Amino acid sequence: KNEVEQSPQNLTAQEGEFITINCSYSVGISALHWLQQHPGGGIVSLFMLSSGKKKHGRLIATINIQEKHSSLHITASHPRDSAVYICAVRSNTDKLIFGTGTRLQVFP
Amino acid sequence: DTGVSQNPRHKITKRGQNVTFRCDPISEHNRLYWYRQTLGQGPEFLTYFQNEAQLEKSRLLSDRFSAERPKGSFSTLEIQRTEQGDSAMYLCASTVTGLQVGYTFGSGTRLTVV
Repeated sequence: KNEVEQSPQNLTAQEGEFITINCSYSVGISALHWLQQHPGGGIVSLFMLSSGKKKHGRLIATINIQEKHSSLHITASHPRDSAVYICAVRSNTDKLIFGTGTRLQVFP
Repeated sequence: DTGVSQNPRHKITKRGQNVTFRCDPISEHNRLYWYRQTLGQGPEFLTYFQNEAQLEKSRLLSDRFSAERPKGSFSTLEIQRTEQGDSAMYLCASTVTGLQVGYTFGSGTRLTVV
């Protein structure tokens, strides 16, 4: 079993839909990251969370430390949101452990 | 500062050849990480440095892989006698210890072994 699990693995949506991607982890962490990766490989950091909730534009990230679970929400999805979204946890030994990613495709 | 820079962006090599990749982190960042990512998978940890010291090396790394960060600034990752299974995206990331600072990733080096 992977230390960081994401679901779903693949997600398709129509433009405008509300999207949720889930992440569960089994190790002690100091922070959790949500990352976005476009074709070509570049990774962009969206959020770093250690508690509660953060919002940036149409993106919202939440974390429940007790349940070891985080969610990334995208409101009013748009085709340009199409990418791979990766959950990664910063372990207590300061190492990033990645989930396998969720491939999102948003169709017009 | 232009972020984390990786060179080259793409490398095609013949099986058995040696390759070397370079990563230039953000100058104030003392931690530098190397990851490998194959198609459809999340990045896998390879090794990391704090300043010039290599603190951990993954068991995934065979003896053909070596990494250095000689002056605590840029880092190189060398693969000797490349194999087709080494084909992957090699990612570098940097951060600062002790602070709630996120990681900054480079654009990666895509290696294709033919």
